[in-house]
Amino acid sequence: NAGVTQTPKFQVLKTGQSMTLQCAQDMNHEYMSWYRQDPGMGLRLIHYSVGAGITDQGEVPNGYNVSRSTTEDFPLRLLSAAPSQTSVYFCASSTGIGNTIYFGEGSWLTVV
Amino acid sequence: AQKITQTQPGMFVQEKEAVTLDCTYDTSDQSYGLFWYKQPSSGEMIFLIYQGSYDEQNATEGRYSLNFQKARKSANLVISASQLGDSAMYFCAMRGQGGSEKLVFGKGMKLTVNP
Repeated sequence: NAGVTQTPKFQVLKTGQSMTLQCAQDMNHEYMSWYRQDPGMGLRLIHYSVGAGITDQGEVPNGYNVSRSTTEDFPLRLLSAAPSQTSVYFCASSTGIGNTIYFGEGSWLTVV
Repeated sequence: AQKITQTQPGMFVQEKEAVTLDCTYDTSDQSYGLFWYKQPSSGEMIFLIYQGSYDEQNATEGRYSLNFQKARKSANLVISASQLGDSAMYFCAMRGQGGSEKLVFGKGMKLTVNP
């Protein structure tokens, strides 16, 4: 049982480059989310999805793009990376009820 | 808007002692859920305990208990018999009526357990 799988775990980008953080879950969860964690801060919601084809913005969506073509996958795209996007990114999935929220192991992104 | 406040930047406790980590919240939702997560130095988010706003009993999970005081809007985590492996960052988070795809986190606090 893989749970929530994020790739890559570590990435260094140059300013202006684009990249996609991958997130996949094998639990058939409808709800998926992306968070970022900056030093001294808790996690902040970037984008979320309540099902395939449905996405919405969270607290800090600028500079990020998402799509949800399948239940299993929820990729996060950085269109033109900026140093302010240096952060740790977490993907999460859930059934939408109770306390069953599963987090991936995190992706450490550095933009130079 | 929902808000979680964790005012303790760091705490030190002796091994085997009990410790309380503070969390206050603000929401206008009638139905909500409160979570505590542990984040060790390796970085993963580990779920500890959950309390629903309509749960009459305080949640307990092994050595963890949640002291839920709804009128005071507080949801403090109590760790009994601290262990060295409890040294980590701890985050309080809230899910509103919008669902568990949208959590609001506090800034966290660092717990250090000394031998």
